[in-house]
Amino acid sequence: AQSVTQLDSQVPVFEEAPVELRCNYSSSVSVYLFWYVQYPNQGLQLLLKYLSGSTLVESINGFEAEFNKSQTSFHLRKPSVHISDTAEYFCAVRRQAGTALIFGKGTTLSVSS
Amino acid sequence: GAGVSQSPRYKVAKRGQDVALRCDPISGHVSLFWYQQALGQGPEFLTYFQNEAQLDKSGLPSDRFFAERPEGSVSTLKIQRTQQEDSAVYLCASSRNVGNTEAFFGQGTRLTVV
Repeated sequence: AQSVTQLDSQVPVFEEAPVELRCNYSSSVSVYLFWYVQYPNQGLQLLLKYLSGSTLVESINGFEAEFNKSQTSFHLRKPSVHISDTAEYFCAVRRQAGTALIFGKGTTLSVSS
Repeated sequence: GAGVSQSPRYKVAKRGQDVALRCDPISGHVSLFWYQQALGQGPEFLTYFQNEAQLDKSGLPSDRFFAERPEGSVSTLKIQRTQQEDSAVYLCASSRNVGNTEAFFGQGTRLTVV
């Protein structure tokens, strides 16, 4: 069975500071890895995903995540955050296409000026 | 439609009442998932449809929960005899086909059982 651990439930940072949201997973088989973002009163939106190939994946709004197989991690990073990045971030795994996503408990990123 | 649509957005039910939550997936999407998100938690899988076939219902917490997708498009999640622990946001997601890895989520229905 797969599981996802998000080590930090809340991460407060100042605007323009770097941030890392940590995610570790456990699985006995290869998985697909995802980060979803949930803004207040909105649905989950896909931020980025790792399926295969390059272990570093990037989103269009400056976030990146690196798949580390040996450490079973998929940490999310951004070198300089904005107020608008304030949201709930969920890490998720999927064993194969067509199966359900397994989510972590989420990390609340709060960006202040 | 342009996105996954869920209705109602909010539902308050008295304990013991039956509720029905609706999901309109993106047009043509084959796969449909239901998740339950309790306050402060990540979404948890409830059930999965491929077209009209319910292929996995292992996440349904009890026999009070029932889901259907009779024509392979709109899906309804029904909860009978609601209890306070059923209070949560119920999320629906759809994917274009079985081999597609990206799931698109609706805004969810927030169910409060009083």
